[in-house]
Amino acid sequence: AQSVTQLGSHVSVSEGALVLLRCNYSSSVPPYLFWYVQYPNQGLQLLLKYTSAATLVKGINGFEAEFKKSETSFHLTKPSAHMSDAAEYFCAVNTNAGKSTFGDGTTLTVKP
Amino acid sequence: GAVVSQHPSWVICKSGTSVKIECRSLDFQATTMFWYRQFPKQSLMLMATSNEGSKATYEQGVEKDKFLINHASLTLSTLTVTSAHPEDSSFYICSARDPRGTTEAFFGQGTRLTVV
Repeated sequence: AQSVTQLGSHVSVSEGALVLLRCNYSSSVPPYLFWYVQYPNQGLQLLLKYTSAATLVKGINGFEAEFKKSETSFHLTKPSAHMSDAAEYFCAVNTNAGKSTFGDGTTLTVKP
Repeated sequence: GAVVSQHPSWVICKSGTSVKIECRSLDFQATTMFWYRQFPKQSLMLMATSNEGSKATYEQGVEKDKFLINHASLTLSTLTVTSAHPEDSSFYICSARDPRGTTEAFFGQGTRLTVV
């Protein structure tokens, strides 16, 4: 079975600082990995996805993630945090059929 | 990308009543759709897999008689919460994969259910 683990349920950074949200996966087959953002009382918004085309994936709003098979990781980064980045972030792995397994989520707080 | 539409976006119902939530794929056909539930401050958990023309597959611990799923067409799956109780209050969200594309799942907007 596939799974993802998000290390750190809460991450706090200052505005302008680097954002690093960690995600490790477990999969017996090449994984399809995704990062989503969820603002309060809203649905999911796709930030970026890894589907084996390139290991460094660029997404929306300045976010990117690097797939590292040797480390079974797919960490999300952003060079400079904005106040508007404060939200809940979920890493997910999909089956071929599109069934998603989510990590527990990481709450990102951005301090002024 | 493909679009999945979910309706209603929020609903308040009285304890003991039933509520139906619709999930539609607007520009593709989906033989399979997925239903998730998200309690406050928690992650999304798969409830069931909806299969067009056949019975849904429920995850362990999900009552199939309480959460009725119907997938009567290739573009519509419905989730009915029967005899709702306050503990069923949650955020319900559906998803589907466009078979013409990758494994990316397209999510509906979600439905906030409050049972009073």
